[in-house]
Amino acid sequence: GAVVSQHPSRVICKSGTSVKIECRSLDFQATTMFWYRQFPKQSLMLMATSNEGSKATYEQGVEKDKFLINHASLTLSTLTVTSAHPEDSSFYICSASRTSGYTFGSGTRLTVV
Amino acid sequence: AQKITQTQPGMFVQEKEAVTLDCTYDTSDPSYGLFWYKQPSSGEMIFLIYQGSYDQQNATEGRYSLNFQKARKSANLVISASQLGDSAMYFCAMSRAGNTPLVFGKGTRLSVIA
Repeated sequence: GAVVSQHPSRVICKSGTSVKIECRSLDFQATTMFWYRQFPKQSLMLMATSNEGSKATYEQGVEKDKFLINHASLTLSTLTVTSAHPEDSSFYICSASRTSGYTFGSGTRLTVV
Repeated sequence: AQKITQTQPGMFVQEKEAVTLDCTYDTSDPSYGLFWYKQPSSGEMIFLIYQGSYDQQNATEGRYSLNFQKARKSANLVISASQLGDSAMYFCAMSRAGNTPLVFGKGTRLSVIA
């Protein structure tokens, strides 16, 4: 079946540094990738939608300069958390839509110390 | 705008019993899809079942069935013969037609008791 490989699964970084999260579709072409953030004991909240070859569309309240999304190819979308702060600590997960449904990455647990 | 409501923050069920997790939705779109996902503590999203808005019959997948009542805008998940491994968060979600993101409810934490 369709697989989206997400890396890293866990990352701890120092406040002020940047972290890049990758989502790679292994056996299909993902023209669109959705990025979600999930705080502890809460639901998944959509951050942005990325389309291959174009600028990402961000949800209201999501800082586009802080959460940089790149979707340069049909198999790779990346989310970079720039100048991370402790409040950015969260679970980030990507999802690609296909005609047969949605395929999720395994998620990245980010801790900013 | 689409909205998913899950009113049960937590549910307990005895092993081998059936349990129903509630989900209601709101949308003005005539075409939409309803999904249920299981999220264990690892965080992965495990797809359970899907119901299209035009599907005449309720969806079933093994021990999972979706009680779809379109007029009431409800899409409850029924898990039969609960197992200890069913303990997890369960999310109801909705999609619109086309290449659009899923909108999630707040989730229900299911605990299966031996």
